[in-house]
Amino acid sequence: GENVEQHPSTLSVQEGDSAVIKCTYSDSASNYFPWYKQELGKGPQLIIDIRSNVGEKKDQRIAVTLNKTAKHFSLHITETQPEDSAVYFCAAIPFYGSGNTGKLIFGQGTTLQVKP
Amino acid sequence: GAGVSQSPRYKVAKRGQDVALRCDPISGHVSLFWYQQALGQGPEFLTYFQNEAQLDKSGLPSDRFFAERPEGSVSTLKIQRTQQEDSAVYLCASSLEPGLNSPLHFGNGTRLTVT
Repeated sequence: GENVEQHPSTLSVQEGDSAVIKCTYSDSASNYFPWYKQELGKGPQLIIDIRSNVGEKKDQRIAVTLNKTAKHFSLHITETQPEDSAVYFCAAIPFYGSGNTGKLIFGQGTTLQVKP
Repeated sequence: GAGVSQSPRYKVAKRGQDVALRCDPISGHVSLFWYQQALGQGPEFLTYFQNEAQLDKSGLPSDRFFAERPEGSVSTLKIQRTQQEDSAVYLCASSLEPGLNSPLHFGNGTRLTVT
């Protein structure tokens, strides 16, 4: 089955710097890769996602890149702010052929700390 | 608008007790998911409903876990004879369309502690 590895587990940056989180997946048929931000005591919130038919997607300070050949995808946050501090999770969904049931496989999470 | 609502927010159960966790999805959302999140880990899939049909329950860890969504709206996750290893945050999510054709919206979860 699908396996998602996420690195680093913790990341500390100065305000204004960029942050990059990387994930690798095992199932070459995976076709959907969302990123979630989880603040303490709250559920994960979708911040950006990418499907396998594109290589990059941007939304203001956030971008995601996908390398299908290498089976990895990355989250890039530019001009980081203290409110970006949270746990970030990548995820992938294996493709079941005739359809899928929405079973997301999550990475282990990255705790991002943005120092003022 | 209202998001996904879960209750109770916290639940403490003695080992061996049964618990029931409730999820109110966003109105009109077809898909409903339950995930289990252990401390310091990513969420792990438990089960998926499309309307009232439970299409995937492959993630339920044992036959002590049971989920239902009888009218295609509110869902309940029931855990019988709770064990310490059941301690986790149980997250519910809903989405407008079947499968993952639309974004998942998560609730804030129910933190279950089994003593």
